[in-house]
Amino acid sequence: NAGVTQTPKFRILKIGQSMTLQCTQDMNHNYMYWYRQDPGMGLKLIYYSVGAGITDKGEVPNGYNVSRSTTEDFPLRLELAAPSQTSVYFCASSYPALGLVTDTQYFGPGTRLTVL
Amino acid sequence: GENVGLHLPTLSVQEGDNSIINCAYSNSASDYFIWYKQESGKGPQFIIDIRSNMDKRQGQRVTVLLNKTVKHLSLQIAATQPGDSAVYFCAAEGSGNTGKLIFGQGTTLQVKP
Repeated sequence: NAGVTQTPKFRILKIGQSMTLQCTQDMNHNYMYWYRQDPGMGLKLIYYSVGAGITDKGEVPNGYNVSRSTTEDFPLRLELAAPSQTSVYFCASSYPALGLVTDTQYFGPGTRLTVL
Repeated sequence: GENVGLHLPTLSVQEGDNSIINCAYSNSASDYFIWYKQESGKGPQFIIDIRSNMDKRQGQRVTVLLNKTVKHLSLQIAATQPGDSAVYFCAAEGSGNTGKLIFGQGTTLQVKP
Protein backbone atom coordinates (compact mmCIF):
# COMPACT_ATOMS: atom_id res chain seq x y z
CA ASN A 1 0.00 0.00 0.00
CA ALA A 2 1.18 3.49 -0.80
CA GLY A 3 -0.88 4.82 2.12
CA VAL A 4 -1.89 8.48 1.83
CA THR A 5 -0.43 10.34 -1.12
CA GLN A 6 -0.60 14.07 -1.80
CA THR A 7 0.19 16.17 -4.84
CA PRO A 8 1.81 18.52 -5.48
CA LYS A 9 4.64 18.60 -2.93
CA PHE A 10 5.24 22.31 -3.38
CA ARG A 11 3.33 25.14 -5.01
CA ILE A 12 3.60 28.91 -5.25
CA LEU A 13 0.43 30.83 -6.02
CA LYS A 14 -0.25 34.46 -6.69
CA ILE A 15 -2.95 36.24 -4.71
CA GLY A 16 -6.35 35.53 -6.23
CA GLN A 17 -5.34 32.34 -8.02
CA SER A 18 -7.03 29.06 -7.27
CA MET A 19 -5.82 25.49 -7.11
CA THR A 20 -6.74 21.99 -6.00
CA LEU A 21 -4.64 19.96 -3.61
CA GLN A 22 -5.00 16.27 -4.32
CA CYS A 23 -5.21 13.52 -1.71
CA THR A 24 -5.60 9.80 -2.36
CA GLN A 25 -5.53 6.84 0.00
CA ASP A 26 -5.44 3.17 -0.95
CA MET A 27 -6.31 1.71 2.45
CA ASN A 28 -10.09 1.76 1.93
CA HIS A 29 -10.43 4.17 4.84
CA ASN A 30 -13.83 5.76 5.18
CA TYR A 31 -12.75 8.84 7.16
CA MET A 32 -10.55 11.50 5.56
CA TYR A 33 -9.28 14.85 6.85
CA TRP A 34 -7.54 18.00 5.70
CA TYR A 35 -5.32 19.95 8.08
CA ARG A 36 -3.11 22.98 7.78
CA GLN A 37 0.04 23.49 9.80
CA ASP A 38 1.49 26.95 10.24
CA PRO A 39 5.17 27.34 11.27
CA GLY A 40 5.81 26.19 14.84
CA MET A 41 2.19 25.27 15.37
CA GLY A 42 0.04 22.19 15.64
CA LEU A 43 -2.44 21.03 13.05
CA LYS A 44 -5.75 22.76 12.49
CA LEU A 45 -8.63 20.84 10.91
CA ILE A 46 -10.02 22.42 7.74
CA TYR A 47 -12.57 19.87 6.52
CA TYR A 48 -13.28 16.22 7.05
CA SER A 49 -15.37 13.44 5.54
CA VAL A 50 -16.82 10.31 7.10
CA GLY A 51 -17.56 8.68 3.78
CA ALA A 52 -18.16 9.25 0.08
CA GLY A 53 -20.65 12.05 -0.46
CA ILE A 54 -20.37 13.37 3.11
CA THR A 55 -18.22 16.33 4.13
CA ASP A 56 -18.23 18.72 7.07
CA LYS A 57 -16.38 21.79 8.27
CA GLY A 58 -13.56 21.68 10.74
CA GLU A 59 -12.02 24.47 12.76
CA VAL A 60 -10.73 26.69 9.91
CA PRO A 61 -12.84 26.08 6.76
CA ASN A 62 -13.05 29.64 5.38
CA GLY A 63 -11.48 30.00 1.94
CA TYR A 64 -11.56 26.26 1.20
CA ASN A 65 -13.90 23.72 -0.32
CA VAL A 66 -13.86 19.94 -0.52
CA SER A 67 -15.65 17.12 -2.25
CA ARG A 68 -15.68 13.37 -1.68
CA SER A 69 -17.04 11.56 -4.71
CA THR A 70 -15.08 8.35 -4.08
CA THR A 71 -13.71 6.56 -1.02
CA GLU A 72 -10.13 7.04 -2.24
CA ASP A 73 -10.00 10.72 -3.12
CA PHE A 74 -10.54 13.86 -1.05
CA PRO A 75 -9.40 16.98 -2.96
CA LEU A 76 -9.11 20.37 -1.26
CA ARG A 77 -9.93 23.43 -3.34
CA LEU A 78 -8.56 26.90 -2.67
CA GLU A 79 -10.48 29.71 -4.37
CA LEU A 80 -9.01 33.22 -4.48
CA ALA A 81 -5.77 32.38 -2.67
CA ALA A 82 -4.65 34.80 0.04
CA PRO A 83 -1.28 35.18 1.84
CA SER A 84 -2.96 33.89 5.02
CA GLN A 85 -3.30 30.53 3.29
CA THR A 86 0.47 30.10 3.12
CA SER A 87 0.95 26.91 5.09
CA VAL A 88 1.72 23.21 4.89
CA TYR A 89 -1.35 21.14 4.14
CA PHE A 90 -1.72 17.57 5.33
CA CYS A 91 -4.29 15.01 4.35
CA ALA A 92 -5.07 12.10 6.66
CA SER A 93 -7.31 9.06 6.68
CA SER A 94 -8.73 6.76 9.30
CA TYR A 95 -10.73 3.55 9.57
CA PRO A 96 -12.35 3.50 13.00
CA ALA A 97 -12.80 0.05 14.44
CA LEU A 98 -16.32 -1.32 14.72
CA GLY A 99 -18.34 0.63 17.25
CA LEU A 100 -15.81 3.46 17.42
CA VAL A 101 -15.64 6.85 15.79
CA THR A 102 -12.16 8.13 16.57
CA ASP A 103 -9.14 6.07 15.71
CA THR A 104 -5.58 6.35 14.36
CA GLN A 105 -5.22 8.87 11.57
CA TYR A 106 -2.54 8.21 8.96
CA PHE A 107 -0.99 11.23 7.32
CA GLY A 108 0.33 12.03 3.88
CA PRO A 109 3.68 13.80 3.29
CA GLY A 110 2.12 17.24 2.93
CA THR A 111 1.88 20.03 0.36
CA ARG A 112 3.86 23.20 1.06
CA LEU A 113 1.91 26.17 -0.32
CA THR A 114 3.13 29.74 -0.58
CA VAL A 115 0.82 32.56 -1.64
CA LEU A 116 2.58 35.73 -2.80
CA GLY B 1 -13.29 25.90 23.37
CA GLU B 2 -11.42 22.65 23.46
CA ASN B 3 -7.70 22.76 23.56
CA VAL B 4 -4.70 20.51 23.92
CA GLY B 5 -1.38 21.89 25.13
CA LEU B 6 2.11 20.62 25.71
CA HIS B 7 3.99 21.77 28.77
CA LEU B 8 7.34 22.52 27.15
CA PRO B 9 8.03 23.76 23.63
CA THR B 10 11.52 22.24 23.68
CA LEU B 11 13.09 19.33 25.56
CA SER B 12 16.79 18.57 25.42
CA VAL B 13 18.07 15.18 26.63
CA GLN B 14 21.30 13.25 26.56
CA GLU B 15 21.51 10.22 24.30
CA GLY B 16 20.65 7.12 26.30
CA ASP B 17 18.55 8.98 28.88
CA ASN B 18 14.78 8.62 29.14
CA SER B 19 12.56 11.40 27.77
CA ILE B 20 9.19 12.46 29.11
CA ILE B 21 6.91 14.74 27.11
CA ASN B 22 3.79 16.01 28.84
CA CYS B 23 0.44 17.12 27.48
CA ALA B 24 -2.77 18.50 28.97
CA TYR B 25 -6.24 18.38 27.43
CA SER B 26 -9.47 20.14 28.30
CA ASN B 27 -12.30 17.88 27.13
CA SER B 28 -13.13 15.49 29.96
CA ALA B 29 -15.30 13.47 27.54
CA SER B 30 -12.37 12.63 25.24
CA ASP B 31 -12.13 8.87 24.77
CA TYR B 32 -9.10 8.64 22.51
CA PHE B 33 -5.57 10.06 22.70
CA ILE B 34 -2.64 9.73 20.35
CA TRP B 35 1.00 10.74 20.00
CA TYR B 36 2.66 11.61 16.72
CA LYS B 37 6.28 12.20 15.75
CA GLN B 38 7.05 14.69 13.00
CA GLU B 39 10.45 14.95 11.39
CA SER B 40 11.41 18.02 9.43
CA GLY B 41 9.65 18.19 6.07
CA LYS B 42 7.52 15.11 6.70
CA GLY B 43 4.00 14.30 7.75
CA PRO B 44 3.12 13.24 11.31
CA GLN B 45 3.95 9.60 12.02
CA PHE B 46 1.89 7.54 14.45
CA ILE B 47 3.74 6.50 17.63
CA ILE B 48 1.20 5.18 20.11
CA ASP B 49 -2.40 5.71 21.17
CA ILE B 50 -4.56 5.00 24.20
CA ARG B 51 -8.26 4.96 25.04
CA SER B 52 -9.83 6.32 28.18
CA ASN B 53 -10.49 2.85 29.62
CA MET B 54 -6.74 2.43 30.09
CA ASP B 55 -4.17 4.44 32.05
CA LYS B 56 -1.02 2.99 30.52
CA ARG B 57 0.01 1.46 27.25
CA GLN B 58 3.44 0.33 26.12
CA GLY B 59 5.04 0.03 22.75
CA GLN B 60 8.59 -0.51 21.61
CA ARG B 61 10.65 1.89 23.78
CA VAL B 62 7.60 4.13 24.25
CA THR B 63 4.97 4.30 26.97
CA VAL B 64 1.90 6.50 27.13
CA LEU B 65 0.37 7.35 30.50
CA LEU B 66 -3.12 8.79 30.86
CA ASN B 67 -4.38 10.52 34.00
CA LYS B 68 -8.04 11.31 33.44
CA THR B 69 -8.44 12.91 36.86
CA VAL B 70 -6.15 15.80 35.99
CA LYS B 71 -6.59 15.49 32.21
CA HIS B 72 -2.93 14.81 31.59
CA LEU B 73 -1.15 12.64 29.05
CA SER B 74 2.53 11.82 28.85
CA LEU B 75 4.87 10.09 26.41
CA GLN B 76 7.92 8.34 27.76
CA ILE B 77 10.74 7.34 25.45
CA ALA B 78 13.28 4.93 26.89
CA ALA B 79 16.98 5.11 26.02
CA THR B 80 16.53 8.11 23.74
CA GLN B 81 18.46 7.93 20.48
CA PRO B 82 19.54 10.62 17.99
CA GLY B 83 16.86 9.31 15.60
CA ASP B 84 14.24 10.31 18.15
CA SER B 85 14.98 13.99 17.52
CA ALA B 86 11.76 15.44 16.11
CA VAL B 87 8.65 17.38 17.05
CA TYR B 88 6.15 15.39 19.10
CA PHE B 89 2.44 16.16 19.06
CA CYS B 90 -0.28 14.89 21.31
CA ALA B 91 -3.90 14.91 20.18
CA ALA B 92 -7.17 14.20 21.91
CA GLU B 93 -10.58 13.29 20.59
CA GLY B 94 -12.72 16.37 20.04
CA SER B 95 -16.27 16.70 21.24
CA GLY B 96 -19.33 15.62 19.29
CA ASN B 97 -18.33 12.02 18.53
CA THR B 98 -17.28 12.97 15.01
CA GLY B 99 -13.85 11.36 14.76
CA LYS B 100 -12.04 14.68 15.03
CA LEU B 101 -8.72 15.15 16.81
CA ILE B 102 -7.56 18.31 18.54
CA PHE B 103 -3.77 18.75 18.31
CA GLY B 104 -1.36 20.43 20.67
CA GLN B 105 1.39 22.76 19.42
CA GLY B 106 4.20 20.24 19.66
CA THR B 107 7.35 19.71 21.72
CA THR B 108 10.70 19.67 19.97
CA LEU B 109 12.89 16.88 21.34
CA GLN B 110 16.61 17.47 20.92
CA VAL B 111 18.93 14.54 21.62
CA LYS B 112 22.51 15.44 22.51
CA PRO B 113 25.16 12.85 21.57
